Formats: sequence, structure tokens, C-alpha cells
Amino acid sequence: AQTVTQSQPEMSVQEAETVTLSCTYDTSESDYYLFWYKQPPSRQMILVIRQEAYKQQNATENRFSVNFQKAAKSFSLKISDSQLGDAAMYFCAWGTSNTGKLIFGQGTTLQVKP
Amino acid sequence: EAQVTQNPRYLITVTGKKLTVTCSQNMNHEYMSWYRQDPGLGLRQIYYSMNVEVTDKGDVPEGYKVSRKEKRNFPLILESPSPNQTSLYFCASSSGQVSGYGYTFGSGTRLTVV
Repeated sequence: AQTVTQSQPEMSVQEAETVTLSCTYDTSESDYYLFWYKQPPSRQMILVIRQEAYKQQNATENRFSVNFQKAAKSFSLKISDSQLGDAAMYFCAWGTSNTGKLIFGQGTTLQVKP
Repeated sequence: EAQVTQNPRYLITVTGKKLTVTCSQNMNHEYMSWYRQDPGLGLRQIYYSMNVEVTDKGDVPEGYKVSRKEKRNFPLILESPSPNQTSLYFCASSSGQVSGYGYTFGSGTRLTVV
């Protein structure tokens, strides 16, 4: 069975600094996708970034980027120039083609200190 | 505005009293899904649907029912709620291959079963 693991329940970062959130997954599939979602205190789930497993190039969205290590089954999220609005819970997720299945990790709560 | 709408936002009920949480999307999405979120466990998928009359179990389907009679609606039914179903519930939808685009989420329903 596929699993997604986020081993850091909580992280903190100083405003304007860089922080990296970790995620590992386990799968025997070769074609899959990975996501990071953000959940602020409003509890809305917001898609931050996505990565196709067949692409070697790491995805980037403004201040958010990923480090995708397929062989190690690792998918970390780097937030540069952290802002107070980045404070939220972040979830890593994994899914395969042609299914409705999307599996989430346990989440990491990020605190941003002014 | 394109969105996933679920109701109610908050619900307190008693053990054994049947309830339905409604979910509707206005984006003509094929895929819909229900998740529950619990502290330390992340989001766990309850059921998902790939089209009208096509549903499949997620990781935690016990105690829940769903139906997809119309493309836009995907209600979650708890026939006999128990306290261990106290949780935050999310409905979500996707335009095509969930694995490629991820899900768009509703605002969540906080359910308390006493």
C-alpha cells in the first residue's frame, strides 16, 4: 500500500529566512504525481505546488520550490523569503494516473516568527 | 465563482442519529471525494467517485455511505454516527485526472458526535 510520511510535526522559521519541509513516500508505481497543500487557520486547503514523477526538473512556484528525489522517494518543499502569511499546516500528497485516489501525509505545522 | 460548496459548516449531533453532509461543485468536474482530517493523522480518504454512479472506497470507508446520482452533487451519509466519527470533513472535486491536477477542496464541515 502507498504511504506518505511527514516526520516533522512542527517547524518554525524567522521571517525572510528559508525553511524546508520534508516528505517521503512509498510506492511501487512508476507513474505518479506529488503535491504540497497549504492549510491556513481558515482551514481552507490550498494547492501550493505539484510535481510529475516522470519529470526530473524540480517544480517551482514563486517562493516555493521542491526537491524531488525519485530514487530516495523524497519530496521536500522549500519556502524562500518566508512571510507571516506562510504560517499554516502543510500537507504532502501522492496520487496516480486515472484514479480518484490522493493520499496525504500527517501534516507539518509551520510557524513564522516576526 | 468556481467552487466546492459543502454544508453545514458546523454540526453537533447525537450518537445514532442519521445525518447527511451535502457537497456540490459548479465546475462540471468528473471526480469527487470525501476526506476526514484528524490531528496527527492528516487527511484520510473516505470515498471517491470518478463519475455519476461510479464510486470507490478510500482508506476509511467504514460507517459512511455516498451516492453520485448527479455530476455536481456528492453527499456523505452517516447512517448511525458514533463519537469516533467526530472530525473535520472535506469534500473535493477535480476536473480530470486527479493525479495530474489534484483536488479543489470545500471549506470543511466540523462534525461533533456526542
